[in-house]
Amino acid sequence: DVKVTQSSRYLVKRTGEKVFLECVQDMDHENMFWYRQDPGLGLRLIYFSYDVKMKEKGDIPEGYSVSREKKERFSLILESASTNQTSMYLCASSLWRTAIYEQYFGPGTRLTVT
Amino acid sequence: GENVEQHPSTLSVQEGDSAVIKCTYSDSASNYFPWYKQELGKRPQLIIDIRSNVGEKKDQRIAVTLNKTAKHFSLHITETQPEDSAVYFCAATNSGYSTLTFGKGTMLLVSP
Repeated sequence: DVKVTQSSRYLVKRTGEKVFLECVQDMDHENMFWYRQDPGLGLRLIYFSYDVKMKEKGDIPEGYSVSREKKERFSLILESASTNQTSMYLCASSLWRTAIYEQYFGPGTRLTVT
Repeated sequence: GENVEQHPSTLSVQEGDSAVIKCTYSDSASNYFPWYKQELGKRPQLIIDIRSNVGEKKDQRIAVTLNKTAKHFSLHITETQPEDSAVYFCAATNSGYSTLTFGKGTMLLVSP
């Protein structure tokens, strides 16, 4: 069974803080993704990575950065958290870069920025 | 980039009825169309997918149809049950990368 885990289920941070969200997958997947989920807006792609130290911007990268130092770990960084970054953050992974396979999601981190 | 529109945003049915959720996409190069189900408080999970060389795919009570000419695809759930209540997301591939663009979701409520 593929397992995607995220470091926290709930997180409360203050405006201006630096926030790290971590995601780990145990199935040797090449691709990893970060989404944010907001009511009525669905899942929007923030960043993705298809290899170690590789990263690509998604649809809404502003205010975020990512790090992938190891194949199994993909981190999302909010350099200076703002209230409009209050959201549910979902990490996902999938098998190949050049072929589309099922994306496996983590349980999500609900981030509140006050 | 790809744009995926999903309708309706909410759908209420009686147990045993059928439910249909429709999506349209904009990128004619899209070739993979998955559907994800997200139960309350849970992570999204793939329930069925279809590739561009196939017009229809079934798995027990769920089916997906694809019309590439019209650039739309639909999820059909027959004999709905209360446990089908969830948010359903359609998605389509983005050309060039192995990424997906998701629709905004449909909240399906099945009443006993």
